[in-house]
Amino acid sequence: EVQLLESGGGLVQPGGSLRLSCAASGFTIGSYAMSWVRQAPGKGLEWVSSISIAGSTYYADSVKGRFTISRDISKNTLYVQMNSLRAEDTAVYYCAKTIGDTRPYYSDYWGQGTLVTVSS
Amino acid sequence: IVLTQSPDSLAVSLGERATINCKSSQSVLDNSNNKNFLAWYQQKPGQPPKLLIYWASTRESGVPDRFSGSGSVTDFTLTISSLQAEDVAVYYCQQYYNTRTFGQGTKVEIK
Repeated sequence: EVQLLESGGGLVQPGGSLRLSCAASGFTIGSYAMSWVRQAPGKGLEWVSSISIAGSTYYADSVKGRFTISRDISKNTLYVQMNSLRAEDTAVYYCAKTIGDTRPYYSDYWGQGTLVTVSS
Repeated sequence: IVLTQSPDSLAVSLGERATINCKSSQSVLDNSNNKNFLAWYQQKPGQPPKLLIYWASTRESGVPDRFSGSGSVTDFTLTISSLQAEDVAVYYCQQYYNTRTFGQGTKVEIK
């Protein structure tokens, strides 16, 4: 059974940093693309970042240069390092298993999400 | 690529048809394989999104056949043929032709 468990969320001050983790089970993350998608309170879905099977990385313009997606295949865990955080980064962050051979396409399994709050 | 869904919300009687539209600011059709790079998701309150449709019209395994996707190039539709109480949710389209973007969502309620 595919499971994704996000962790690392919490309260952080503007300008601060946070690293989110997503522990996967039931499949090998190195055999799939993976993505982070966020949802601000009461708002819609916003794609944040993806990593392809080959390890190529993709970012939304809103986080480019501030967020870094990575993975540890030996730990079957996906990460996103978030720096220079802003109030508008406040959201629930979802990790998602993503279908795509050469690049990320659509996501077929999602975690329950972890809440990041950026506030002083 | 900007995706614009319409309407923002709709109320439909149980057993009736619900139709959600998604318009893309540019083509999401790959002419080399004739595939439309568009998916649909359902999100119920307090839950993560659930994949319903990919390649614009391919239903994900386990999704009831009352859900169907259609359209091509820039105009797409998600249809729920006979609305059930458990279909109350927000529905999102998503393109994966050029990175990834989501529509703003359409809230479906019972009339």
